[in-house]
Formats: sequence, C-alpha cells, structure tokens
Amino acid sequence: DAMVIQNPRYQVTQFGKPVTLSCSQTLNHNVMYWYQQKSSQAPKLLFHYYDKDFNNEADTPDNFQSRRPNTSFCFLDIRSPGLGDAAMYLCATSRDQGTVDTQYFGPGTRLTVL
Amino acid sequence: GEDVEQSLFLSVREGDSSVINCTYTDSSSTYLYWYKQEPGAGLQLLTYIFSNMDMKQDQRLTVLLNKKDKHLSLRIADTQTGDSAIYFCAESSFGDKLIFGTGTRLQVFP
Repeated sequence: DAMVIQNPRYQVTQFGKPVTLSCSQTLNHNVMYWYQQKSSQAPKLLFHYYDKDFNNEADTPDNFQSRRPNTSFCFLDIRSPGLGDAAMYLCATSRDQGTVDTQYFGPGTRLTVL
Repeated sequence: GEDVEQSLFLSVREGDSSVINCTYTDSSSTYLYWYKQEPGAGLQLLTYIFSNMDMKQDQRLTVLLNKKDKHLSLRIADTQTGDSAIYFCAESSFGDKLIFGTGTRLQVFP
C-alpha cells in the first residue's frame, strides 16, 4: 500500500548529540512536511519542501535542519538536541500545495533526549 | 494570527453519540479537517469540509460548519470503544499550511 513511513519509531539520543530522523513516501507527492508535537499539544509545523524548494517556518529554531535528496525521502536533522526537543516528530505529505489536497501523516518518531 | 480551539476532554458511553466542537478565527479558512490520533500513532485524516458547505456526512461521521460563527463540529454516531483517541480540528486557507487545534481527548466507556 502507498504510505508514509518513518524510521525509527523510537529514537533515544543524548543531550547535544546530533540525531537524524527519516521519512519516506511511496505516494509520489510533491510536498513533504515535518511537524513537532510535544505532549498534549497540537502538531506544530517546522518546515516543508515543495519539490526541492525548502520553506522554513519563521519560529523554527536553527537547531533544526532538513534535507530532501529525492522525491521519496526527507530527513530531519537536529544538530544539538536539548531536553526541550523531546517530542513526537511527524512527517506528512501532500500531492501539491495551494489546493484542496490533504496531508497524509506517517506514524511519527518519538524522540527522547537524555 | 490564526487560532483554533477545542475543549480538552469528552467522555461518552458506548453506543451514544459524541459531539466534538471546534472554533477558529481565520475568516479566510477554506478547508476544515478532522484528524484522529490514537496513542503513540500519527494523525489519520477522518474527513474534511469546504468552507462553502455547511454539512458533510460520511457513515457514522457528520461534520457541521457554521461559517458565520466560525464553529465546526464532528458528530460520531454509535460511539465505540475503538473511537477512543484524540481528535484534532485543523484549518487551512487555500490549501496552505494546516493550523491545528489543541485536540480533544475522547474517552468511551462501556
């Protein structure tokens, strides 16, 4: 089945140690999104790619970076994780932007920072 | 800026109807969505409605939109224990980024 896949589902890292989260999609969608969801809060958009064009949200810390080497894959890099970065990270895709196309979410990666 | 609000908790008996409410502030919202999130999982799109509609029905789900009051509701008929989850309302303008509400935790008891 076409889907959005996130690996790993659970990631533990140490304070300050760089970590990379992975997302892949078989939907061939143009747009890929990364959200941060802290406990009992709404998902918050960090950034998104429209094809190869990167769009950063104004309040996303510089500590968070992203790469999209091809249509199928998108990575979230946290350069120096702090305790406050512990959260669920959700990847989503949509066929296009600026249209009715809905976003399809992966299962998320829960990040723990020790 | 845009704001989407929901009540935090709802508890219903199995077999009853559930109504989850949402209010939003962005008058230019064009699409409104309901997502379901089960424990430890990602978000599952349940349904969405265009802002020029006032009702949409999909099996056990009924979405009502009062655009004048910027109020959206999700009614789940014959609520089952498997419906226990967090339900997020979200809005977007012309398919732009989603703005999510805080989520309503629905608990269904026997």
